[in-house]
Amino acid sequence: QKEVEQNSGPLSVPEGAIASLNCTYSDRGSQSFFWYRQYSGKSPELIMSIYSNGDKEDGRFTAQLNKASQYVSLLIRDSQPSDSATYLCAVMRNYGQNFVFGPGTRLSVLP
Amino acid sequence: KAGVTQTPRYLIKTRGQQVTLSCSPISGHRSVSWYQQTPGQGLQFLFEYFSETQRNKGNFPGRFSGRQFSNSRSEMNVSTLELGDSALYLCASSLVGGETQYFGPGTRLLVL
Repeated sequence: QKEVEQNSGPLSVPEGAIASLNCTYSDRGSQSFFWYRQYSGKSPELIMSIYSNGDKEDGRFTAQLNKASQYVSLLIRDSQPSDSATYLCAVMRNYGQNFVFGPGTRLSVLP
Repeated sequence: KAGVTQTPRYLIKTRGQQVTLSCSPISGHRSVSWYQQTPGQGLQFLFEYFSETQRNKGNFPGRFSGRQFSNSRSEMNVSTLELGDSALYLCASSLVGGETQYFGPGTRLLVL
């Protein structure tokens, strides 16, 4: 079992719809969780971080964390074609440890 | 504030050569991590440096090495290049490590 898993996609949604991206992790000691977006040929850019159970909203993005289920998700409301990218889930086990990245989910928003 | 910078942006080498990549973190950031990204393996952690010391290391052979200078700038070196080393090499910086990392634009290495 990989430490961080994501559906590779592609996940296709129509413009204006909600895109739901999921991530599971294996280490129960993980403390910090991050979502990055990576456009083709570019480097990852941070979308959100989340540290405690529940929801965290930032504009059209909502991150959800459930440590008991070892599950973190990212919802993108009112999806736009410019949201088409690969979304990477990253997990940090303990402070000072390295990040572990999932394989990424490729999202395609269709106009 | 300037972001993370990496040089060179593109590099072509032949098998058996060595290469050195450079990363300058965001001003004030003392932790620098290096990653290799390939289509097949995704983003894989190479190592992390903090205060000129390697603090964490991924599962890569000894051909991959790095160092950090007193101004927090970091270099990574790959010796005896193999075809499989062709990848995007990303550097990321954070304040002290353990929190949000910010990525540089990457160095795309092609080994022929």
